[in-house]
Amino acid sequence: GAGVSQSPSNKVTEKGKDVELRCDPISGHTALYWYRQSLGQGLEFLIYFQGNSAPDKSGLPSDRFSAERTGGSVSTLTIQRTQQEDSAVYLCASSREGTGRTYEQYFGPGTRLTVT
Amino acid sequence: GDSVTQMEGPVTLSEEAFLTINCTYTATGYPSLFWYVQYPGEGLQLLLKATKADDKGSNKGFEATYRKETTSFHLEKGSVQVSDSAVYFCALSDRMNTGFQKLVFGTGTRLLVSP
Repeated sequence: GAGVSQSPSNKVTEKGKDVELRCDPISGHTALYWYRQSLGQGLEFLIYFQGNSAPDKSGLPSDRFSAERTGGSVSTLTIQRTQQEDSAVYLCASSREGTGRTYEQYFGPGTRLTVT
Repeated sequence: GDSVTQMEGPVTLSEEAFLTINCTYTATGYPSLFWYVQYPGEGLQLLLKATKADDKGSNKGFEATYRKETTSFHLEKGSVQVSDSAVYFCALSDRMNTGFQKLVFGTGTRLLVSP
């Protein structure tokens, strides 16, 4: 079946602009995660959604970052007033369930964001 | 907080050589442990996992054993192929206060296998 998809695959933006990154999880997966992969920080957790529960935003690096998940499916990560240090690959993952047991997280191909 | 340390790369091997990529972890609880692989131009894929002490995860000829006494989860393969060239990430699941488990990753180790 279809895996996790993300769009765009590449995004170049000017410093100070807002960007939106999209993630389409695997159908039926209730848990959705955003991670960031950057040269300086490696792979780091950003935010987690589970069903209709309030998201866990503990990994968001600043209040310029926000995310939403509509209808328990598609998620959008928004970065406002982008800075050069936001340049990274943004990865989305989904799994069957996030709490309790450990379920495998399936990752999308990522969105490479470059802030000039 | 919990953390993962893995050997820096790149690791350069000839085809059919033995591979070891070291991974150690620090955790307050009893995490599950994972190896993910990222092939060039592709997304992260789960390679193998182990959910409790002394479990051995295996897949595609790769193995790793959850060693609680040494807090390690070293990745091994007896005979690597050129197609194994990729970046390998060791990770643990860290249970948050909310109850869910996020992944904590090591920095990744690039493996280059030459014919």
